[in-house]
Order: sequence, then C-alpha cells, then structure tokens
Amino acid sequence: NAGVTQTPKFQVLKTGQSMTLQCAQDMNHEYMSWYRQDPGMGLRLIHYSVGAGITDQGEVPNGYNVSRSTTEDFPLRLLSAAPSQTSVYFCASSEPGGNQPQHFGDGTRLSIL
Amino acid sequence: LAKTTQPVSMDSYEGQEVNITCSHNNIATNDYITWYQQFPSQGPRFIIQGYKTKVTNEVASLFIPADRKSSTLSLPRVSLSDTAVYYCLVAAIKAAGNKLTFGGGTRVLVKP
Repeated sequence: NAGVTQTPKFQVLKTGQSMTLQCAQDMNHEYMSWYRQDPGMGLRLIHYSVGAGITDQGEVPNGYNVSRSTTEDFPLRLLSAAPSQTSVYFCASSEPGGNQPQHFGDGTRLSIL
Repeated sequence: LAKTTQPVSMDSYEGQEVNITCSHNNIATNDYITWYQQFPSQGPRFIIQGYKTKVTNEVASLFIPADRKSSTLSLPRVSLSDTAVYYCLVAAIKAAGNKLTFGGGTRVLVKP
C-alpha cells in the first residue's frame, strides 16, 4: 500500500521559476493538505481540500495555488518561486474530521536560489 | 482551535521512561488530543489519540486528567530510535478541513 506519494523528493529552482509539487494518495481519503516546514520549526498549513473540487487557504497561502480535480491528487503550484519558499513540503491525507489521523508523505525538499 | 504549549526539548537515556506534557487550557468539549512523531527527513506519523482518562497502544500511553487542560504522552523504556520531535494537537471531530496547527513540538533526544 503506497499511502501518500510525493514527487519530486528534491528540487532546486531559480527565483521566478514556477513548478508543481505532486501529491497522490491511494486511500480514498476526502481530506488532503499541504504543509511547509522550515528548519527547526513546526509545520504550517498552506492549503487544504475537503473533497474533489473544494479547496481553501491555510495559514500561509500566499505564493501557492492548489486544485483538486480528483480524490487522489492534490498538486501544489508555486507561481513565481522566491528564496523565502525554500522549505520542506509535506502533503497529508485523512478521513473527514479534525480528529482523524493524518497520513503524511515523505516530503519534497525545495531550494530556491 | 485550542492552542497547545509543550516543552521545546527533552533529553533522556536508553531504557528510561519519557513523559511529555502538553498544556491546552482552552480545550473545547468536542476536542480530541492527538500526538504525532516526526523523525528527521520524514513526515509526521500518528502515534496516539485520546479524549479523556488513559489510552495505551503498542507505542505509547496518553494520560488525560479530568479537566482535560493538559495531557501527558508517556514513552516507556525509550531506545535511540525514539529520538524524534513529538507534536501535540487538539482538534474537534468536526473541525473544518484539515485546519490543524502543528506547533514547534518537543525534540526528544535519547542518549546511549
């Protein structure tokens, strides 16, 4: 069982470039989220989705876009990369409900030069 | 969402019991308490959840007093592989989406 799969695992971008971080889950979970984690810090919520076609902003949404066309996939797009977006990005999925355990991917390490 | 406060770091030795206390003074009636574990270069992993009293699984125990304003994660007889960051979260069953707040967590270092 693959769980939550994130690609790529590592990426280096130049300032101003755009890219899409991929996230796919095979557990038929309705809820999916994107977090970023800066060195030595906790996770901060970027965007989340409660189902296909429904997305909403989290704590730090600026500079990122998301869409949810299928239950399985929840890509995160960086519109114009900035050095401040250098971070580790985690995707998570869960059953509906704030008390449901979240299943995390292994993360994407992104460096913006 | 209830705010949580937990120690920044804790050191322990192999074979000892580690207890991490999380304060959540503003916990609401419908809130559950959930703990996650994060190893370096990995995403967080759910370890235990509770509403009141005591919950135990193969990994840890969770103690919640009657007023629910705090909770204590207990890791019995830790090993070097238990070195990780532990996060305490509080959220309601019907919390909107996955709007969970992960604070800085508690860095546990297990020494030989």
